Formats: sequence, structure tokens, C-alpha cells
Amino acid sequence: AQSVTQPDIHITVSEGASLELRCNYSYGATPYLFWYVQSPGQGLQLLLKYFSGDTLVQGIKGFEAEFKRSQSSFNLRKPSVHWSDAAEYFCAVTGTASKLTFGTGTRLQVTL
Amino acid sequence: GAVVSQHPSRVICKSGTSVKIECRSLDFQATTMFWYRQFPKKSLMLMATSNEGSKATYEQGVEKDKFLINHASLTLSTLTVTSAHPEDSSFYICSATQGNINTGELFFGEGSRLTVL
Repeated sequence: AQSVTQPDIHITVSEGASLELRCNYSYGATPYLFWYVQSPGQGLQLLLKYFSGDTLVQGIKGFEAEFKRSQSSFNLRKPSVHWSDAAEYFCAVTGTASKLTFGTGTRLQVTL
Repeated sequence: GAVVSQHPSRVICKSGTSVKIECRSLDFQATTMFWYRQFPKKSLMLMATSNEGSKATYEQGVEKDKFLINHASLTLSTLTVTSAHPEDSSFYICSATQGNINTGELFFGEGSRLTVL
């Protein structure tokens, strides 16, 4: 069965600082990986996705993620965080079943 | 990107009543729609997968008679919470895809917050 682990429940960074959100997955074959962002009371917005090819994926809002098969990881990064980035971030994985399995999320707080 | 809209965004109902939540794909035909439930400070839990014109496939532990899902057209799926109770209070989110998620993309609605008194 596929699963996703986001080890950090809550992260606080200063505005302008760099950010890395961790995501580890478990899946028997080549996974399809996603990062979503959710603002309070809102649905999910896709930040980026990895299907194949270049393991460094660029997304919207200046985010990027790197797929590392050897570490079963797909960490999300941003070089300089803005206050508007404060939200809940979800990593997700799917295979051929076409059903996303989400991690438990990481809540990002940005201090000014 | 494609737009998925949910209605209502918030609903409050009395215990024992039924509530219907709509999920519409506004600018594309959704071959598959998914319904998720999100508990406070928790992740999204997939409840069921619905394909247009066929019965929904429910995840283990989800009561199909409790959560009725209808996908009558390529642009509309509905979730009806029957005989709602306070423990059904939650944030319900739908998503839709035009094709196989492995090659396409999943678009999420804004979510519907249900409060059962």
C-alpha cells in the first residue's frame, strides 16, 4: 500500500528565510508525486508534480521539489519565504490506481 | 487551470436531516471525481471515487448508505450525507480529473464545511 509521511507537523520560518518541507513516501513502483497548498478554509491548490524526467521540479509561487528515489523523498523547497506562504502543505503520492494518498500535512507559519 | 466549484461552502443542519453537497467542473468534463473528508488538523481521507454513469467506489470503512454519491453527468457529482449526526461534521472536498490522474491533473473544489448540531 502506498503511504506518505510528512515528519514536520508545524514549521515556523522568518520572512525571507529559506524553507524545506520534508516528504517521504512508500510505493512499490515509480510514484507520481505532488505538493499541494491549502489556505485556511479553502480547497487545495497544486504547487507542483513529478511524473518522470528531471528529478528537480519547478512549481508555482517560486517553489521547487526534488525527487530522490534512493531516499524515497520529495522535499519541497523555496529560497525565500513570503508572509503569504503561510498555509498548510500536503505531499501526495499516487500510482496506477489514480487515487491520491496524502500526508498529514505541515503547517507553515511565517514570522515578520 | 480548470475550475472545480463546490456548493454550498458552508452548511449547518440539525441532527437527523440530510445534506447535499454539489461538486461541479466548470470548464471541463470530469470523467472521474473524488470525494475527500478532512478532519481538523488532519489530512484528507479519500471517501469514494465516482465515475460518470456508474456506481461510486467507496473506500474501506466508509458507509455507502450514509454518504450517497451520484455522478449523473460529466460536470456534476453530488455527495448526500444522510441522517447527519454531529460526528459527520467535517470539511468535505471534491476533486475532478479529465482523465487518468497519472497523465492529467486533479483539480480541487474549495471545500464544503458541514456542521451538524
